[in-house]
Formats: sequence, structure tokens, C-alpha cells
Amino acid sequence: NAGVTQTPKFQVLKTGQSMTLQCAQDMNHEYMSWYRQDPGMGLRLIHYSVGAGITDQGEVPNGYNVSRSTTEDFPLRLLSAAPSQTSVYFCASTPRDLNTGELFFGEGSRLTVL
Amino acid sequence: AQSVSQHNHHVILSEAASLELGCNYSYGGTVNLFWYVQYPGQHLQLLLKYFSGDPLVKGIKGFEAEFIKSKFSFNLRKPSVQWSDTAEYFCAVIARNYQLIWGAGTKLIIKP
Repeated sequence: NAGVTQTPKFQVLKTGQSMTLQCAQDMNHEYMSWYRQDPGMGLRLIHYSVGAGITDQGEVPNGYNVSRSTTEDFPLRLLSAAPSQTSVYFCASTPRDLNTGELFFGEGSRLTVL
Repeated sequence: AQSVSQHNHHVILSEAASLELGCNYSYGGTVNLFWYVQYPGQHLQLLLKYFSGDPLVKGIKGFEAEFIKSKFSFNLRKPSVQWSDTAEYFCAVIARNYQLIWGAGTKLIIKP
């Protein structure tokens, strides 16, 4: 059972480039989310989805887009990368209601924007 | 705005020492509380959680946490730490659906 799979694990971009971080889960979880982790700031929610076709903004959505066409996949798109987006990105999922369970995290994607 | 405060950003202990990591949150209503751990090079995983009932919660690897409602606190404890407990620990709170509020994390280093 793969759980939550993120690709790529590492990426270096130049300012202005675009890219997509992939996230897939094979647990049939309804809820999926993207966080960024920065030193001394904990995790901050970027976008989340409570099911296929439904997405919503989190705490720091600017500069990022998401879509949820299937239950399994929740890609995060950086439209025009900026150095402020240098961070470690985590995708996480949970079966249904966040209040009732735990988050299952991917291994993270370390992004550097030059 | 809701927030979670972890008082210590870095903690260094020797093996067999006792551990207490502080976590305070700002929300007056019903909360669900979590401690997550991130071992070096690994993803975050759940250590323990509190939803209701006994305010003393036991988690994996000998960790426990106590919910004190009057103090808005959910401190993590372990009587005797091991070198393998070296990790970063995050406290998190759910006050409304789908919004986990995270503390900044505490990096714990255990000296062998």
C-alpha cells in the first residue's frame, strides 16, 4: 500500500517558471490538502479539497492553483515561481472528516526557486 | 484569529532525561488536539490525539499528553527519552472543519 505519493522529491526552478507538484493517494480518501513547511513557521495550508471536483483556499493560496478531477490525485501548480515559494511542500489526506481522524502525509517535495 | 504556540523552538536533552514540550492554543470552543512527529528525512506522522474523554492521552513510543482546558494547553511528555526520539514535534488544533492550525514546531535533539 503506497499511501500518499508525492513527486518530484526535489526541484530547482528559476523565477517565473511554472511547474506542477504531483500528489496521489491510493486509500480512497475524500479529503486532500497541500501544506508548505518553512523554518520556524510550522505548516501552513495552501489549498484543500473535500472531494473530487471541490477545492478551496487555505491560509496561503496566492501563487498556487489546484484541481481535483479524481479522488486519487491532487496536483499543485505554481503559476510563476518566486523565491518566496522556496519551501518544502507536503500533501496530506484523510478518509472523510478531518475532525475524526488523522492526516496521512507524503514524504514532501523540496522546492528551490532561484 | 486562532493560533497555536509552542514555547520552545529547540530542546536539547540527554538520554533518559524527562521531556515536556509545551503547546498552548487560542480558541474558546471545542477543540480536537494533535501532536505530530517528523523524524529526520521522514514525513510527518501522528503521535497522539485528543478528541474527548480522559484528558490524559497516551500515544505511540511512550509519549503522552495532557489536555488542560482551563490553561488552553496540550503539553507533550515522555518520562525517559531515547536517542531515537530526536525529531521535530508539532502541535496542531482543529477548531473548525478542515482547518488544522499548526504550531511552529519544536526541534528535539537527544544527546547519546
